[in-house]
Amino acid sequence: QKEVEQDPGPLSVPEGAIVSLNCTYSNSAFQYFMWYRQYSRKGPELLMYTYSSGNKEDGRFTAQVDKSSKYISLFIRDSQPSDSATYLCATQGGTSGSRLTFGEGTQLTVNP
Amino acid sequence: DSGVTQTPKHLITATGQRVTLRCSPRSGDLSVYWYQQSLDQGLQFLIQYYNGEERAKGNILERFSAQQFPDLHSELNLSSLELGDSALYFCASSVTSAWETQYFGPGTRLLVL
Repeated sequence: QKEVEQDPGPLSVPEGAIVSLNCTYSNSAFQYFMWYRQYSRKGPELLMYTYSSGNKEDGRFTAQVDKSSKYISLFIRDSQPSDSATYLCATQGGTSGSRLTFGEGTQLTVNP
Repeated sequence: DSGVTQTPKHLITATGQRVTLRCSPRSGDLSVYWYQQSLDQGLQFLIQYYNGEERAKGNILERFSAQQFPDLHSELNLSSLELGDSALYFCASSVTSAWETQYFGPGTRLLVL
């Protein structure tokens, strides 16, 4: 079983839709949770970085962590065609040290 | 632009050969991480260096090695290349070796024929 599970999609939505991306993780020692965006196999770009359970908002993006259920989510409001990319969740902490453990990535397409 | 640079951008080579990938971290960052991204394995951690010393190892093959130099740039050496080594190789950097944000470079795309 992978330490971080993520539905690879693909996910296709119309412009303006609310997008929900989700991951589950198995290691309760993970303490830090990130979402990266990756365009066409380019370098992953950090979107959100959170610690502990709760919500964190940045513009149209909201990251949500529920440590009790080991569930992390990213919501994108008013999605735009420029949001079309692969979204990767990642975890950090515990015995894994500072390395990042990634989910498989979800490929998102926002149609104009 | 994350501030992390990687060279070369693309590399095409043959099986059995050896290549060196280079990474320059963001100014002020002491930690360098190497990750491999393949279609079937996703993004996987290979190895971490902090201020010139190896700090952590992941699923890195014995044919692969890395080092970090006094100017903090890092090199990943891949030898006896196999077809399955074809992948994107990313370098990331962070200020310390603690749990904190990592910034990724643009990657090196390696194709082994």
